[in-house]
Amino acid sequence: DAKTTQPPSMDCAEGRAANLPCNHSTISGNEYVYWYRQIHSQGPQYIIHGLKNNETNEMASLIITEDRKSSTLILPHATLRDTAVYYCIVRAPLSNTGNQFYFGTGTSLTVIP
Amino acid sequence: DAGVIQSPRHEVTEMGQEVTLRCKPISGHNSLFWYRQTMMRGLELLIYFNNNVPIDDSGMPEDRFSAKMPNASFSTLKIQPSEPRDSAVYFCASSDRGYYGYTFGSGTRLTVV
Repeated sequence: DAKTTQPPSMDCAEGRAANLPCNHSTISGNEYVYWYRQIHSQGPQYIIHGLKNNETNEMASLIITEDRKSSTLILPHATLRDTAVYYCIVRAPLSNTGNQFYFGTGTSLTVIP
Repeated sequence: DAGVIQSPRHEVTEMGQEVTLRCKPISGHNSLFWYRQTMMRGLELLIYFNNNVPIDDSGMPEDRFSAKMPNASFSTLKIQPSEPRDSAVYFCASSDRGYYGYTFGSGTRLTVV
């Protein structure tokens, strides 16, 4: 699986958009970009994933650059409950060796009142 | 759906004792994963199963750790004998090998004294 690079921490004002960047310069053509978050003391939670097109769901938007070497997770209107560690992971959905996710250190997002 | 169910939520045991952690995956999911999380090492994949068969146990720290999945609805992670350095939060996750990633349980917080 390709490695990802994320800033260790970020702050965001409540009600503003939170933009979390991720670099994945060695991503392969069949690898998807996944985002998870982990709120303190809970298990990681799936947020969104994409291959090359931008994606949006009820939780967030995912913007992937045209060369696919980086992406940004956008929380459009951050709330205090969005304070969490956000993990960016790249992985092929059905690899021959299995479909396990390897989590890095993520970005610790703090939403400030 | 009740999600991935782990038990117990908390476990405190004395060094040298056997510890068994339990997981019930989401019905219909055919992949199951055990992770361990500590402050020092983050989220580590220990072992995963596809269709009840262990595929990769290279993350299991040593022979004191063992995992089984006797059927599609139940898995155990056993530590015998336990040591203080095994103290961590242990997460179980399941997946249908599709594109949408994993669903994690709430975790078992293990403290070995």
